[in-house]
Amino acid sequence: DAKTTQPNSMESNEEEPVHLPCNHSTISGTDYIHWYRQLPSQGPEYVIHGLTSNVNNRMASLAIAEDRKSSTLILHRATLRDAAVYYCILRDNSNNDMRFGAGTRLTVKP
Amino acid sequence: DTEVTQTPKHLVMGMTNKKSLKCEQHMGHRAMYWYKQKAKKPPELMFVYSYEKLSINESVPSRFSPECPNSSLLNLHLHALQPEDSALYLCASSQETGLNNEQFFGPGTRLTVL
Repeated sequence: DAKTTQPNSMESNEEEPVHLPCNHSTISGTDYIHWYRQLPSQGPEYVIHGLTSNVNNRMASLAIAEDRKSSTLILHRATLRDAAVYYCILRDNSNNDMRFGAGTRLTVKP
Repeated sequence: DTEVTQTPKHLVMGMTNKKSLKCEQHMGHRAMYWYKQKAKKPPELMFVYSYEKLSINESVPSRFSPECPNSSLLNLHLHALQPEDSALYLCASSQETGLNNEQFFGPGTRLTVL
């Protein structure tokens, strides 16, 4: 299975943009890149996913490197409610499960 | 209705007890999942059901027994658990199991085994 590497933790100030990196150097051509987040005392929540092109939705943007070996989740204006663990996950074409890595714990300071 | 519900929220059980966790969704999803999450760790996949049939069992001990009575319901039957099985048990669902499908998670059942 292709693996992802994320920083253990990051800090951001409220109302500033946040760029959360993810390395996936062994990604295969058909792997989708998914991002989920888990707020304290809640189940994980879907954020965004993509294959090759950059993606935008109401929650965030996903920037995917041209060689697809890395990606960045962008929160355009962090709020206190965005404090969570953010997981970058590769969905492998060889099976249909979803394997979470360690994730990045994002702290947002007022 | 875009919600996955799980009952109970909390459960305390002894090692000789039999109990069940319940998960329900009314989004018409045909894939449902059980995950286990220990404190300060990421969720770990346990089981995947697709169209009410078990499609993935991640080598989970037989003291955990999943059941999918219909497309909206997913149960996890627990018997003879160990204290190390104490964890947050998360249920999720998705339209199908394909790579392009997002999963919707419930809030989890926090299980304590004494």
